[in-house]
Amino acid sequence: AQSVAQPEDQVNVAEGNPLTVKCTYSVSGNPYLFWYVQYPNRGLQFLLKYITGDNLVKGSYGFEAEFNKSQTSFHLKKPSALVSDSALYFCAVRDIDTDKLIFGTGTRLQVFP
Amino acid sequence: GAVVSQHPSWVICKSGTSVKIECRSLDFQATTMFWYRQFPKQSLMLMATSNEGSKATYEQGVEKDKFLINHASLTLSTLTVTSAHPEDSSFYICSAMGARNTIYFGEGSWLTVV
Repeated sequence: AQSVAQPEDQVNVAEGNPLTVKCTYSVSGNPYLFWYVQYPNRGLQFLLKYITGDNLVKGSYGFEAEFNKSQTSFHLKKPSALVSDSALYFCAVRDIDTDKLIFGTGTRLQVFP
Repeated sequence: GAVVSQHPSWVICKSGTSVKIECRSLDFQATTMFWYRQFPKQSLMLMATSNEGSKATYEQGVEKDKFLINHASLTLSTLTVTSAHPEDSSFYICSAMGARNTIYFGEGSWLTVV
């Protein structure tokens, strides 16, 4: 079965500092991995995805994620955090057979001014 | 870009009544849509996969007679919560699969059952 794990419930970072939101995956076969962001009382916005190709994936709003096969990780990163990045971030894996997205438990990012 | 619209954004209904939530793909056709439920401060729980022209596929533990899903056209799927109870109060989110199998999410619908 496909799954993702987000080990941190919350990540706190000062504005201007780099941020990392962790995600590890467990899949059979090649992973299709995604990051989404959710602002309060809103739906999910797509940030980036890894299907194949370069291990470093660049996405929206300056975010990027690094696919690491040996560590089965797909951590979300940003070189310089903004207060407006404060939100709930979800890692997800896609089941190729059913197209279902399986979400992690989410990590709340809090960026302090 | 592709847009998925959910309506209503907020709805309050009385216990025992039914409420319908619509999910529309505004500028693309979606043969497949997904319905999720999200409790406060929790992750999204997939409820069902909605396929145009056929019956929805429900996840284990989701009551299909309570959460009726109809995908009558390539741009519209509806979720009807029947005989609603307070414990059905939640944030419901739909997503639709567009071109190149990209998935787009709606803005969600808050349901409060009183």
